[in-house]
Amino acid sequence: RKEVEQDPGPFNVPEGATVAFNCTYSNSASQSFFWYRQDCRKEPKLLMSVYSSGNEDGRFTAQLNRASQYISLLIRDSKLSDSATYLCVTGYSTLTFGKGTMLLVSP
Amino acid sequence: DAGVIQSPRHEVTEMGQEVTLRCKPISGHDYLFWYRQTMMRGLELLIYFNNNVPIDDSGMPEDRFSAKMPNASFSTLKIQPSEPRDSAVYFCASSFSGLAGGYEQYFGPGTRLTVT
Repeated sequence: RKEVEQDPGPFNVPEGATVAFNCTYSNSASQSFFWYRQDCRKEPKLLMSVYSSGNEDGRFTAQLNRASQYISLLIRDSKLSDSATYLCVTGYSTLTFGKGTMLLVSP
Repeated sequence: DAGVIQSPRHEVTEMGQEVTLRCKPISGHDYLFWYRQTMMRGLELLIYFNNNVPIDDSGMPEDRFSAKMPNASFSTLKIQPSEPRDSAVYFCASSFSGLAGGYEQYFGPGTRLTVT
């Protein structure tokens, strides 16, 4: 079983749409959870941390369900610039990265 | 802050040649990580250092790969001899253990390695 599993997509959505990504992780000892964003031919960049209480950053909302070992990311009012691959990440001193979900936002 | 710096950005070499990739972590960070990314396997952790000491190198593919961190501001990843299957993007990342809530990692721009 992969440590962090994500639907690779691509998710094709029009501008303004709401889109949700999910991932599951296998290591119940994981203590840190993040979403990273990776643009084509660029490095991964931290998008946001994920907390059990849920957290929001502008149009982005992340949720963590420790009991189900499940993490989600919701993007509201999608922009063309949101087109990227979104990596689900778990761990602590070392991080395990999922392979990512590709999002394509079209005009 | 300058961010994580990697060099070279692109490297094309012939099979059998030695390749050296370089990384300068963010100043003050005490963890340094080397990753390899391919379409097939995604982002794989090769080795990581804490306070310049290698902690876990179980991800290093084989003895052809070696990594060093002689001081807090410099690390190298060496492949000798290189093979075509080593073609990938190699990322260096650093993090700071003093942050509450977890060890967010910051990535360099990567080195795109092509071995022909």
